[in-house]
Amino acid sequence: QKEVEQDPGPLSVPEGAIVSLNCTYSNSAFQYFMWYRQYSRKGPELLMYTYSSGNKEDGRFTAQVDKSSKYISLFIRDSQPSDSATYLCAMTKTGANNLFFGTGTRLTVIP
Amino acid sequence: EAGVTQSPTHLIKTRGQQATLRCSPISGHTSVYWYQQALGLGLQFLLWYDEGEERNRGNFPPRFSGRQFPNYSSELNVNALELEDSALYLCASRSLAAIYNEQFFGPGTRLTVL
Repeated sequence: QKEVEQDPGPLSVPEGAIVSLNCTYSNSAFQYFMWYRQYSRKGPELLMYTYSSGNKEDGRFTAQVDKSSKYISLFIRDSQPSDSATYLCAMTKTGANNLFFGTGTRLTVIP
Repeated sequence: EAGVTQSPTHLIKTRGQQATLRCSPISGHTSVYWYQQALGLGLQFLLWYDEGEERNRGNFPPRFSGRQFPNYSSELNVNALELEDSALYLCASRSLAAIYNEQFFGPGTRLTVL
């Protein structure tokens, strides 16, 4: 079993929709959680990072962590065609330094 | 502030050859990470360098190696290339001040092994 699971999609939504992207994990030692956005043929770009359970908001993006369920989400409000990309969740443990990634969800926002 | 840079952008090699990939971290970042992103597999951790030393490596054979130079730039070497080494190789850097171990990625080097 992979330590981090992420639905690969693809996911297609109309412009303006609310998008929900999710990851589950199996290791309760994971403490730090991140979301990256990767455009085609580019490197991943850090979108958001969080530590505790709860919500963190940044503009149209909200990251949610539920440690009791080992479940994290990224919500995108008022989605735009420019949001079309692959979204990767990543996490790490206290004392570890490498990140553990999900396989990514490919999102297309249709104008 | 300049981001992480990698060279070359593309690299084409034949099976059995050696490949050398290069990375320059963000100014002030001392840690460099290498990841492999193969189709359908997501990012897999390869190597971590900090202050010139290899600190950790992922589940990859010894023919994947590298080093970090005094200016914190890094090199990844892949010996005896195999077809399955074809992938996007990503370098990331991290600041000592990072609280969440947040890492910043370069654009990657796409390695094709024929």
